[in-house]
This record gives sequence, C-alpha cells and structure tokens, in this order.
Amino acid sequence: EAQVTQNPRYLITVTGKKLTVTCSQNMNHEYMSWYRQDPGLGLRQIYYSMNVEVTDKGDVPEGYKVSRKEKRNFPLILESPSPNQTSLYFCASSRTGYNYGYTFGSGTRLTVV
Amino acid sequence: KQEVTQIPAALSVPEGENLVLNCSFTDSAIYNLQWFRQDPGKGLTSLLLIQSSQREQTSGRLNASLDKSSGRSTLYIAASQPGDSATYLCAVPMEYGNKLVFGAGTILRVKS
Repeated sequence: EAQVTQNPRYLITVTGKKLTVTCSQNMNHEYMSWYRQDPGLGLRQIYYSMNVEVTDKGDVPEGYKVSRKEKRNFPLILESPSPNQTSLYFCASSRTGYNYGYTFGSGTRLTVV
Repeated sequence: KQEVTQIPAALSVPEGENLVLNCSFTDSAIYNLQWFRQDPGKGLTSLLLIQSSQREQTSGRLNASLDKSSGRSTLYIAASQPGDSATYLCAVPMEYGNKLVFGAGTILRVKS
C-alpha cells in the first residue's frame, strides 16, 4: 500500500530533551515536507526537501532540523524542544511537478512539558 | 500572496442531504487544487485532485468542481452519511517550495 509512515504517533517529552520524528514513504517521491497544525493557525510548513540532500526552510523552521540522506526518509529533529512546539505534526510527500497531489502521514501528536 | 478561504466554517445537516462546501483562492494562477478530509486528531486523507485544466473530478459520492477564472472550487457531497462527519480542507500548491496553502477548513457534522 502506498503510504507515508510517521513514528511515533504520540509523544510526550520534557523541555530540552532532543527527539526525532521519523517519516518514510514508499512511493519513490522526490518531494517531502513537514507541516505543523495548530488551532486557529491551520497548517504551516516547517521544512521541505526537493530531493536527496536538498532541503530548505518553510514558514516556521525555527527550532527544527531535517535531513534527507535517503529518498524515502525525511526525519524531523527537535534538538531542544520547548512547550511552544507542542503541536500535531504531519509529513507529506509528492512527485516533483505540479500535476501531482500530496500524500500525508497519519500525524504525530507531540506534547512538550 | 495566495490566500485560501473556506465557507462555511461549520455545517450541520441531517443524514441524506446533498451538500456543498466552498473554497475560494485569491490568485487564479494555480496548478491544481486538492481536497482533503481530516478526522479529529488524525491525518489528512486526499479526496480529490483537480488539475488547472480540468473543470471537475468525481469519486463516488464526491464531486469537486474548479473555476479558475473566478477563483473558486466546490466540493459536492451527495446523500450525506454520518461517516462523512469530518473537517474538509482545500489546498493549492505554491510555486516556491511546493508549499501547500490550506484553507481553514469546513467542519461537517452529519446527524443520523
């Protein structure tokens, strides 16, 4: 089944403790991206990657890091999480070009206390 | 700057009704428009993708139309069911960064 897989689905952590949210897609998509969703603010792009070793900032990149060493994986790294990073996170992937839609993962609910 | 607006913000209908959700966008130079469904606290499920050259797309009881010149898309749901209750989001891609610009969504409740 074609899908984007995120792990973990739920995570509660403490301020300052480094964490990684993994994202993997099995559709051979070139493009991958991370979004966060917050009440009243909607979905906002954090980082995106057009292909392996090519990443760039989205609208809200502060406090996050990403890497794209393999085509299928695009982990989101929070080096020192803070409570304002409590959110619902989504990974998405797509083929390059504008004729293709996006496939989203099931989401990761992160709580930073 | 592309802005996407969805009307209504919330909708409650009895089971069996046909309904229309609206999506408007400010920059008509779009490549495509995608409709998603989101259940509470869950992921986004793609419903329909309409290319800029298309007028409509259909999938089962869902029909999405696109009018680029007026900056509008509608999602038509026929014979609504309680299982259709969810938030419906429309989104268009930006050229830079392939970012999707989302509307705020329409929260749909179908009462049995």
